[in-house]
This record gives sequence, C-alpha cells and structure tokens, in this order.
Amino acid sequence: AQSVTQLGSHVSVSEGALVLLRCNYSSSVPPYLFWYVQYPNQGLQLLLKYTTGATLVKGINGFEAEFKKSETSFHLTKPSAHMSDAAEYFCAVSRQWGDSSYKLIFGSGTRLLVRP
Amino acid sequence: SAVISQKPSRDICQRGTSLTIQCQVDSQVTMMFWYRQQPGQSLTLIATANQGSEATYESGFVIDKFPISRPNLTFSTLTVSNMSPEDSSIYLCSVEGELVNEQFFGPGTRLTVL
Repeated sequence: AQSVTQLGSHVSVSEGALVLLRCNYSSSVPPYLFWYVQYPNQGLQLLLKYTTGATLVKGINGFEAEFKKSETSFHLTKPSAHMSDAAEYFCAVSRQWGDSSYKLIFGSGTRLLVRP
Repeated sequence: SAVISQKPSRDICQRGTSLTIQCQVDSQVTMMFWYRQQPGQSLTLIATANQGSEATYESGFVIDKFPISRPNLTFSTLTVSNMSPEDSSIYLCSVEGELVNEQFFGPGTRLTVL
C-alpha cells in the first residue's frame, strides 16, 4: 500500500535561504507524486507533479522537486525563500483503486516559516 | 485547471444540527472527492462521488453521517449530520484534473461546531 512520510512538521528558514522540504513515499508500483501548498485560510493549490519522464520537475513560484526512485524520495526545493512562501506544504502519492479509479494519499504536512 | 467554489466558506453551528456544503465546478467532471482536514492535521478522504452512482465512502465514514449528492457533472453536496464539536474541521471538495491522478481543490469550508 502506498504511503507518504514528510520529515519535519515545521521548517524555519531565513528569507533568501534555501528551502528543502522532505518527502519519502512507499509504493509497490511506479508512483505519481504531488506537492500541494495551503496558504492560511485557503484550499490546496497544486505546486507540481511527477507522473513519468524527467525526474526533475519544475512547478510554480520557483519550486522544484526531484523524483529519486532509488531513495523513494520526492523532496521539494526552492533556491531562495520569500516571505510569501510561508504556508503548509503537503506531499501526496496517488494510489490505484479499482480498475480505473485512484486516490490521493497525503503526508502529514510541513509548515514552512520564513524569518525576515 | 478547473475553477471550484464552495459554499459556505465558513459556518458556526450548534451541536445536533446539520450543515450542507455545496461544491460547484466550472466544467464537467466525472469524479469529485470530499476531504476532511481536522485542526492541524492532514487531509483525509471522506468519499468519492461519481455522477450517476452512489458515493463510495472510506473506512470510518458512513452515509448516515455524511450523505453526499451528485446530481450532475458540475455539482455536489456534502451534508454533515447531527454535528458534534469533533466535526469541527475544514471540508474540501476536489475534482479530477485532465491529467491522470491529478486533483484540484476548492477553497474549503471551515466548520466550527459549538
């Protein structure tokens, strides 16, 4: 069964510093992987996704993630943090359900704090 | 990506009452999903709602407590019945995207039960 582990419920960085949010997954089949962001009092917004092909995936707002099959990881990075990046970030893996349906399994989330 | 709206955006309700949450999409979609996000927690799938069929509920969620309607390809409702303070959560609907396994989320409904 698929599952997602996000290391660190809170990550704090200084403005301009590198952002690294960790996500490891378990999956018995090639996974589809996602990062979502949730700003305060808002719904979830898709940041980026990996389905097939290039393992380095670029998303919105300067974020990117690299799918590493050997490490079963899909860590999210951004070279330079901005104050507006402060939010909750969720990693998710899709799980096949039935013949053609699927479900998203979410990690526990990581709250990113950006210090001025 | 689809534009999804939810009503109400937030509500404060008394225990024992029921609240119906609406989810409207600007395009036709086959699969819609309802999630619960308890305070400080991640998202938990409540049920999957396909148009023309009964909703499929996840373990721990039952139709009597969370009845769902899916009358057409752009609309769904989730009712939280006989509410208790433990039902205080954010409820989010999502829809499938054009790409496989992709979902887009509505803004959520923040429910507080007193």
